[in-house]
Parts: sequence; C-alpha cells; structure tokens
Amino acid sequence: QVQLVESGGGVVQPGRSLRLSCTASGFTFSNYVMHWVRQAPGKGLEWVALISYDGSNKYYADSVKGRFTISRDNSKNTLYLQMNSLRPEDTAVYYCANKWEFDYWGQGTLVTVSS
Amino acid sequence: SSELTQDPAVSVALGQTVRITCQGDSLGSYFANWYQQKPGQAPVLVIYGKNNRPSGIPDRFSGSRSGNTASLTITGAQAEDEADYYCNSPDSSGLHYVFGPGTKVSVL
Repeated sequence: QVQLVESGGGVVQPGRSLRLSCTASGFTFSNYVMHWVRQAPGKGLEWVALISYDGSNKYYADSVKGRFTISRDNSKNTLYLQMNSLRPEDTAVYYCANKWEFDYWGQGTLVTVSS
Repeated sequence: SSELTQDPAVSVALGQTVRITCQGDSLGSYFANWYQQKPGQAPVLVIYGKNNRPSGIPDRFSGSRSGNTASLTITGAQAEDEADYYCNSPDSSGLHYVFGPGTKVSVL
C-alpha cells in the first residue's frame, strides 16, 4: 500500500532553516510529480510547491518562493523541502502528496517558527 | 483571479443529499479535485478530474462542473461524512495550485 512519511519538523527560531523529508513506498516514486502542502493551526490547506517526476521542473507558491526549495532523490524514494529564512507565518503542519491530483497524503510534520 | 471560494459551512440531515460548491475562474479550464479532512487527520482525496472516485471512496460521493463552479455532492449522507471538504485546482498558469478555504459539513 502507498505510504508517505514526513519527518524533520520541529521548533525553530525565525530566520533559521529546516529541511523536511518525505519517504515514499508502495508506488513507483520516480514516475510521479510530488507536492508539499501546509496547514497552519486551525486554518485551511495551502499548496506550497510541486516538483516534476525527474526533478527538472519546480514550482512554488508566492508565499515561499525564494526561501523554500523542493527537491527529490529518486534513488532513495525521498522528497525534500529545504526551508530557509523561516517566519512565524510558516508555522504549520507540512504534508507531502503524490500525483497531480494529490492522490495520497502523508500524516504531516509540524513546523513551529517561534523565538 | 486564481482564488477559489467555498461556503464556510453546510448542514445535512442523515441520509439526505448535500451539495458543496467551489467557484473560481480557473474552474472554467480545469476540473476541481475534492478532499475530505477529519479532525487530526490528513486530507483524503474523494473526487478527482471530471468525476472520478479513488478506490475505496463510496459511490455516494460525486463531482460535477458548470461554468466556473465545481460541485461535490454527497447523496445519502452518513454520520462519518461529517468533515471539512476542500476543493483545489491548478491556477490559470496550470503550474501552480490553489485550494479553496474549505466547507465544514455537519450531519444532523
């Protein structure tokens, strides 16, 4: 069965960096686009970034462009989100999801940006 | 505009039918996807594309589109359908995505 497991969340001070990982299993990871989506506490879903199946194309929400970088290692079935210059408004649960239609989602990892 | 709008909340009597709508300019070009999210859980895809249900999603869930409005219909709502429902679609560029603000469905 498809599994997506996020990790790397935690508490970080404003301006610092954090890298999230999403390990995939149960499907051919290298065949599909992958997304990061976040959800601030008590709020709705916000699309963050998309990466093509081979990593050659990447797209970002305006709110994170220039600060976040999405990447993938198809040999390790792993998706990454490098988050730099973190702000309090980046506090959220971060989910990874597969395929154009966000078919499967992980359980999420909580990132808290606070001094 | 790349925004999607949804009613904040709707209620439905047990066993009755409820329609949740999602409006936005991008929906004139793209089909909406729909997600169900229960408290403390990750979202689950319930409808994608024109009107496709992933494996395991009951057939009481269906999708449709008219102009710039997409709809998710639950025919014969069950207690377990009480949840937040989000629509999404690509934006006008086709390379970014946008989610609606979500609709809280209460089953009475």
